[in-house]
Amino acid sequence: EAQVTQNPRYLITVTGKKLTVTCSQNMNHEYMSWYRQDPGLGLRQIYYSMNVEVTDKGDVPEGYKVSRKEKRNFPLILESPSPNQTSLYFCASSLARQDGYTFGSGTRLTVV
Amino acid sequence: SQQGEEDPQALSIQEGENATMNCSYKTSINNLQWYRQNSGRGLVHLILIRSNEREKHSGRLRVTLDTSKKSSSLLITASRAADTASYFCAPIFLSGGYNKLIFGAGTRLAVHP
Repeated sequence: EAQVTQNPRYLITVTGKKLTVTCSQNMNHEYMSWYRQDPGLGLRQIYYSMNVEVTDKGDVPEGYKVSRKEKRNFPLILESPSPNQTSLYFCASSLARQDGYTFGSGTRLTVV
Repeated sequence: SQQGEEDPQALSIQEGENATMNCSYKTSINNLQWYRQNSGRGLVHLILIRSNEREKHSGRLRVTLDTSKKSSSLLITASRAADTASYFCAPIFLSGGYNKLIFGAGTRLAVHP
């Protein structure tokens, strides 16, 4: 089944403890992206990647890192999480520039 | 802002009625997509309409695009309780060779049995 898989689905962590949210797609998509969703603010793009080793900042990149060493994987790294990064995170991928995105099921992160 | 802005913010209807949601945006686009999100779940791609198209259908969904007014609408006909969800439009701009989707805050649709 074609899908984007995120892990974990839920995560509670403490301020400053590094964490990684994994994202993997099995559709050979070139484009991948991370979004965060907060009440009243909609979805905001954190980082995106056009292909292996090609990444760029989205609208809210502060406090996040990404890497794209393989086409299928696009992990989101929080080096030192803070409470304002408590949010619902989504990974998404698309085949080509004009195509629709396939979204993962989301990761609900709570930083205390 | 480049993002799509949906209207209304919330819509409550009875099963069997039609639901219309509108989207406006501010700059030129390449295409526009509509997504659905069930509470707390990932977004599901519904339909894509290109800038040179005026109308597109998919099952009970009908999407229109008016590039002169920079607006789009999503019509769900004969709504069902299962259509209860948030709906987002996502205008797509080419930015740095990348298709940048900018989501609005969405329309929350509630369909009552």
